[in-house]
Amino acid sequence: KNEVEQSPQNLTAQEGEFITINCSYSVGISALHWLQQHPGGGIVSLFMLSSGKKKHGRLIATINIQEKHSSLHITASHPRDSAVYICAVRTTQGGSEKLVFGKGTKLTVNP
Amino acid sequence: DTEVTQTPKHLVMGMTNKKSLKCEQHMGHRAMYWYKQKAKKPPELMFVYSYEKLSINESVPSRFSPECPNSSLLNLHLHALQPEDSALYLCASSPRGAHTDTQYFGPGTRLTVL
Repeated sequence: KNEVEQSPQNLTAQEGEFITINCSYSVGISALHWLQQHPGGGIVSLFMLSSGKKKHGRLIATINIQEKHSSLHITASHPRDSAVYICAVRTTQGGSEKLVFGKGTKLTVNP
Repeated sequence: DTEVTQTPKHLVMGMTNKKSLKCEQHMGHRAMYWYKQKAKKPPELMFVYSYEKLSINESVPSRFSPECPNSSLLNLHLHALQPEDSALYLCASSPRGAHTDTQYFGPGTRLTVL
C-alpha cells in the first residue's frame, strides 16, 4: 500500500463545476503539499499545509491531521485548470526528511 | 527572480555520451533537489543538497553524479546511461535547508537515452 493515496485517479468536469480531489496518508507528517503539473512537465507548488485550511483565488486546501486526510477544492473550474494535481507529504524516513508523492489526479475541464 | 531554471529543456544522448543537466536559482535558497519522473508516475527523489553539501542520495546509480558548485547552481552529470534512464529530470529548491516548507520546481529537462 502506498503511503500517500489520491482519489480519484482521473476526473473530468464541465467548466464551472466545483471539483474536489482527495489525499489520504498513512505516515506521520510535518507538512502536506499540493502541486500542479501541466503537460510538458513543469510543477507549481499550490499550497503547503500543516493544519486547517488555506485559500488562494479559486483554490482551497484543507487538512485534517487526526484523520490523515487532505482535500483540494477548485471552485468555478476552468479549462486552464486541466493538469495533474499531486499530493506530497513531508515525512521522516531513516532519520532524513523527505517528500513522499501521491500518484496524482489527472483533471480535465471541458469548455 | 522567483523561478528555478533548467537547461537544456530537451536532451537526446547515446549510452556512451557524457552530458550535464544544469539547474539555477537566484532566490537565495539553501537546499536544492534532483528528482526523476517517468511518464504517468510521481517524481522520485534522487539527491538533496543542503547548504552546498550532499545530504541525501537515494541510492542512485553512480552513472548519475550531482555537483553543487555554489548555492545558486546545481548540476547533474550523466555518463554511460541506459535507455531506462529516459525520463523528465526535475530540479527544485527550498529556502531554509532540507527541513523546510515549499519547494520551487523548475520546468524540467526531458532526457532521452538511445
